[in-house]
Amino acid sequence: AQKVTQAQTEISVVEKEDVTLDCVYETRDTTYYLFWYKQPPSGELVFLIRRNSFDEQNEISGRYSWNFQKSTSSFNFTITASQVVDSAVYFCALSEASGNTPLVFGKGTRLSVIA
Amino acid sequence: EAQVTQNPRYLITVTGKKLTVTCSQNMNHEYMSWYRQDPGLGLRQIYYSMNVEVTDKGDVPEGYKVSRKEKRNFPLILESPSPNQTSLYFCASSLSPPFGTENQPQHFGDGTRLSIL
Repeated sequence: AQKVTQAQTEISVVEKEDVTLDCVYETRDTTYYLFWYKQPPSGELVFLIRRNSFDEQNEISGRYSWNFQKSTSSFNFTITASQVVDSAVYFCALSEASGNTPLVFGKGTRLSVIA
Repeated sequence: EAQVTQNPRYLITVTGKKLTVTCSQNMNHEYMSWYRQDPGLGLRQIYYSMNVEVTDKGDVPEGYKVSRKEKRNFPLILESPSPNQTSLYFCASSLSPPFGTENQPQHFGDGTRLSIL
């Protein structure tokens, strides 16, 4: 069965520090999709990125970057030069290509960026 | 503006009093889903719908009902709410299911915070 583990429950950093949020997943499928979502204090869920299992290229979008490593079943998310507005709960999620299994979320990592 | 709209945003009610949380999307999406978010448990899927009149149970369907009579609407019904259903609920939609080879990212509503006393 598919599973997503976000071992860091809470992280606090000082503004301008870099921070990496870990995501480790389990799946038996060879084709699957990984996601990151952000949930700011206002509560809504914001889609950040989707990555399919055949694309191991790392992605950078502004201060955000994602490191996908199939060898370690990890899809880590790094924020460079963190800002107070980055304070949120971040969820990693996994979806398998086969069957009708639902999107499975990790339990989330609460990031607090202190000015 | 493309969006998923949930109502109400907040509700405090009492055990046993039937309630409905509405969800509507204006993107002509086929797939819709309900999640609940609880501290320490993350997001868990309650029900999902692949299209009109097609609904299926997710991970935690007990105590909930849904219907999908129209493509845009996917209400979540609690026939006899209990305190263990106090949670933050999210409705989501996508053009096609967030699994399988089509796999599309979901658009989420702003959430409904439900408190059952």
